[in-house]
Amino acid sequence: LAKTTQPISMDSYEGQEVNITCSHNNIATNDYITWYQQFPSQGPRFIIQGYKTKVTNEVASLFIPADRKSSTLSLPRVSLSDTAVYYCLVGDTGRRALTFGSGTRLQVQP
Amino acid sequence: DGGITQSPKYLFRKEGQNVTLSCEQNLNHDAMYWYRQDPGQGLRLIYYSQIVNDFQKGDIAEGYSVSREKKESFPLTVTSAQKNPTAFYLCASKEGVGTEAFFGQGTRLTVV
Repeated sequence: LAKTTQPISMDSYEGQEVNITCSHNNIATNDYITWYQQFPSQGPRFIIQGYKTKVTNEVASLFIPADRKSSTLSLPRVSLSDTAVYYCLVGDTGRRALTFGSGTRLQVQP
Repeated sequence: DGGITQSPKYLFRKEGQNVTLSCEQNLNHDAMYWYRQDPGQGLRLIYYSQIVNDFQKGDIAEGYSVSREKKESFPLTVTSAQKNPTAFYLCASKEGVGTEAFFGQGTRLTVV
């Protein structure tokens, strides 16, 4: 599985846009990029998934450059409730282990 | 409602006892996973199963055992061989390639 590298933590203020970047230099052709959000004492929740270029849903946007060696999760106008840990996963995830890294702890302040 | 259910939410056991954590899903997913999470840490994969009657070790399988006799069930046994079993345990299931994983609410195990 492609190893991922994310910042350990980030701080932001309410109303700001937050961009969390994940590096995955060894991504394979069949790999997808998936982001999850986890609140304390809860299981992670799927946010967004992409293969290339840009994906947008009601929660976030995912930007993937042409070489796919990195990806950026963009959270528009964060609120206090966006304080959580965000995980980037890379893999075809269909027939292999689903492996999480340490994630990025986002703290949103008033 | 479709979903994945873990029980119990909190579990206390005495040191040296085996304990089994339940994970049931009615999503008709083929793949199921067990993770351990320690305070302030990420998720570490214990075991996973892609199909009934088959499972593979994850990164930290020592001291744990699983079974997959039914598609909807993937129980995890924490044995007395696990040196530090107190942790938050999460179960997940997934359909196939390029699809999202669904997680249960977790079981917090405390061994005293």
